[in-house]
Amino acid sequence: QSALTQPASVSGSPGQSIIISCTGTSSDVGSYNLVSWYQQHPGKAPKLMIHEVSNRPSGVSNRFSGSKSGNTASLTISGLQAEDEADYYCCSYAGSSILFGGGTKLTVL
Amino acid sequence: EVQLLESGGGLVQPGGSLRLSCAASGFTFSSYAMSWVRQAPGKGLEWVSSLSNSGGSTYYADAVKGRFTISRDNSKNTLYLQMNTLRAEDTALYYCAKDRGQLPGSGWYYWGQGTLVTVSS
Repeated sequence: QSALTQPASVSGSPGQSIIISCTGTSSDVGSYNLVSWYQQHPGKAPKLMIHEVSNRPSGVSNRFSGSKSGNTASLTISGLQAEDEADYYCCSYAGSSILFGGGTKLTVL
Repeated sequence: EVQLLESGGGLVQPGGSLRLSCAASGFTFSSYAMSWVRQAPGKGLEWVSSLSNSGGSTYYADAVKGRFTISRDNSKNTLYLQMNTLRAEDTALYYCAKDRGQLPGSGWYYWGQGTLVTVSS
């Protein structure tokens, strides 16, 4: 059970787009369309932003989108806003377990 | 309105035990898998354990396998996590989360606010 790999940090200016990658293996990200993404602000519980690779829950802005290619999933945030500054975590089903990425700190410049 | 309320956290010595509870309301508890996710101070999220809606299938992270036991009482709408042989590295905020289906893996839309477990002498 190894963690998924995410960049430690990404940054962008308001209005720009950023992509956060999440690399796993053929046993997790590559085998299941069960990748989810979470946003977490300091001191708050995580918030589900994307489930099953590319599905947005009701109430989540359409500026957030998800995709997957092979063993790598990606979260794209377009039209960056100040309130998007947070930690982001990917998560994947892996058969008999569930794996998180190490998290990516998004800074809006 | 879905609500998840964790309790049972606290300070415990290494080697000790604690039982966490998660009282659920606002949805048909017996229809959904449930999970525990933890976050050590200043660290990232770590999945701990999941349980199918019926309780018939259990899933554990390697780090807790053999020490933690997840269970549920569908008549009381409550999820539990029995934690034995606790170690310093188990110190974390423990979240209860509602899965989107009968089996875990499709994501957690609802989370509790967490209960803090501190393992220290």
